[in-house]
Amino acid sequence: SQQGEEDPQALSIQEGENATMNCSYKTSINNLQWYRQNSGRGLVHLILIRSNEREKHSGRLRVTLDTSKKSSSLLITASRAADTASYFCATARNSGNTPLVFGKGTRLSVIA
Amino acid sequence: SQTIHQWPATLVQPVGSPLSLECTVEGTSNPNLYWYRQAAGRGLQLLFYSVGIGQISSEVPQNLSASRPQDRQFILSSKKLLLSDSGFYLCAWSRRGLFNEQFFGPGTRLTVL
Repeated sequence: SQQGEEDPQALSIQEGENATMNCSYKTSINNLQWYRQNSGRGLVHLILIRSNEREKHSGRLRVTLDTSKKSSSLLITASRAADTASYFCATARNSGNTPLVFGKGTRLSVIA
Repeated sequence: SQTIHQWPATLVQPVGSPLSLECTVEGTSNPNLYWYRQAAGRGLQLLFYSVGIGQISSEVPQNLSASRPQDRQFILSSKKLLLSDSGFYLCAWSRRGLFNEQFFGPGTRLTVL
């Protein structure tokens, strides 16, 4: 069954604003990961947060994880036009014997 | 450093023709390898993954097959393409452990006419 589900499907903001994307999942996880995909390109790994972590930062990225609500959020602060891309969450199940399951993504447009 | 290659970058094939997409990884040993398909504006669909030479797990029964003849080579094939096989095909690798982060190739855009 589908694990990560991103929300919203699409988001349009002005340059300089913050962008928040959410991911919900259904089963217990080992970790949750966020990826970025520019149009027509492969995905790029952004950040991994383990099930025993609640928050993680990487540059302008902030990821939170709430295992009680089975949800995660990705915050991009001070967005730039170059942040325009699709963002996917991927969940790694606790069993560790199945591959990552990717959500359908949030398409972010940052308008200069 | 590790590098992943995919070719060709784009491909236009007639219905009923065969397919062979190749993916190779450099700079690592014993990687897990993955094939995904992505329809336009959609999420990723995992097609196959491999944890070792000759070991292939199929996630979606369909018109495609995969092979891993060498440790760092992953091939996606079809004997007869269907219109529904059109899409963006992505190869990825990860270190041992299916929960590890994945590193993606540049993708192949396949159009079946």
